[in-house]
Amino acid sequence: EDQVTQSPEALRLQEGESSSLNCSYTVSGLRGLFWYRQDPGKGPEFLFTLYSAGEEKEKERLKATLTKKESFLHITAPKPEDSATYLCAVQAGAAGNKLTFGGGTRVLVKP
Amino acid sequence: GAVVSQHPSWVICKSGTSVKIECRSLDFQATTMFWYRQFPKQSLMLMATSNEGSKATYEQGVEKDKFLINHASLTLSTLTVTSAHPEDSSFYICSAWPGGDTQYFGPGTRLTVL
Repeated sequence: EDQVTQSPEALRLQEGESSSLNCSYTVSGLRGLFWYRQDPGKGPEFLFTLYSAGEEKEKERLKATLTKKESFLHITAPKPEDSATYLCAVQAGAAGNKLTFGGGTRVLVKP
Repeated sequence: GAVVSQHPSWVICKSGTSVKIECRSLDFQATTMFWYRQFPKQSLMLMATSNEGSKATYEQGVEKDKFLINHASLTLSTLTVTSAHPEDSSFYICSAWPGGDTQYFGPGTRLTVL
């Protein structure tokens, strides 16, 4: 069974204080690892897709990396508007296009 | 691009009634749509996979007679919660798959059953 675990569950940061979120996974045949941002009361917003170990993708203050067992989402010099829940999901070879989500990391950036 | 809408955004209903939630892909066609539910401070749990023109595939533990899914066209899927009860209160989110690897999510529907 595919499993995705995110840590920490919650993260409080001061504005400008860089940090990293972890997503560890156990899947049979990873097809893709996805990062989404979710604001309260909203649907997830797509951020990145990573396909193979060593791959990195960046968008503004966010950078996602992937190894064979885990992915990291680095937030560099965060701003209050980066406050959100960050969700990691995997798509495995045997599961078609279904996504298995981790529990999410709630990030709060204080000014 | 890749915009998905849901209607209604929130609904309150009495126990025992049925509620229909619509999911539309606005600027692309989606052969597959997915329905999730999310409880407070929890992650998304896949309920079912909806393919245009065929029966939905439900995840283990999801009652197909209670959560009726219809994918009538390449841009519209509906979820009907039948005989709703307070324990069905949740945040229901759909996603649409236009091909490729990425799913795009709707804004969600908050259901409260009194």
